[in-house]
Amino acid sequence: RKEVEQDPGPFNVPEGATVAFNCTYSNSASQSFFWYRQDCRKEPKLLMSVYSSGNEDGRFTAQLNRASQYISLLIRDSKLSDSATYLCVVNPGAGSYQLTFGKGTKLSVIP
Amino acid sequence: NAGVTQTPKFQVLKTGQSMTLQCAQDMNHNSMYWYRQDPGMGLRLIYYSASEGTTDKGEVPNGYNVSRLNKREFSLRLESAAPSQTSVYFCASSPDRTISGANVLTFGAGSRLTVL
Repeated sequence: RKEVEQDPGPFNVPEGATVAFNCTYSNSASQSFFWYRQDCRKEPKLLMSVYSSGNEDGRFTAQLNRASQYISLLIRDSKLSDSATYLCVVNPGAGSYQLTFGKGTKLSVIP
Repeated sequence: NAGVTQTPKFQVLKTGQSMTLQCAQDMNHNSMYWYRQDPGMGLRLIYYSASEGTTDKGEVPNGYNVSRLNKREFSLRLESAAPSQTSVYFCASSPDRTISGANVLTFGAGSRLTVL
């Protein structure tokens, strides 16, 4: 089993739609979780950290399920500017510097 | 704020040539990293520097060397470039080596390297 697996994508959704991405991780000792956004030919940028109780930032909601070892990202009211690749990132242990990156899920929001 | 600055943005090399990718951050971060990103794969850590004066191998260090010149600068050197090193290279930094919710990675804009 790969360490971090994401929905294969691509996701093509109309403006205004709600879309959800899931990401599973294999290391049950993983401590920290993140969603990064990467625009085409650009660097990854932090979208949000994922906390145990779940967290929301505007139209974006992240959830963590430690029992099932997955995290999710929900985007409501999709905008054209949300088109990007979303990377699931996991820190495998306390004090670890070696983050594990998923391959990413590509989202295209269509007018 | 400049954040993390990488140079060059693009480079084409012939097999066997050497080059150095430069990275500088102005956020007073202690830790710095070099990643590579290849199509169909997640970012992979090449080398990292937890603090000034220290460097350690990551997941894919073969064929690379690094230098943490000072707190701001962390360079990546390809001594004898190979086609397998064709990739996009990202430098990143974090306040310290423990990456958690409040202590996250900031990436540079990337360097696209092609080895013929």
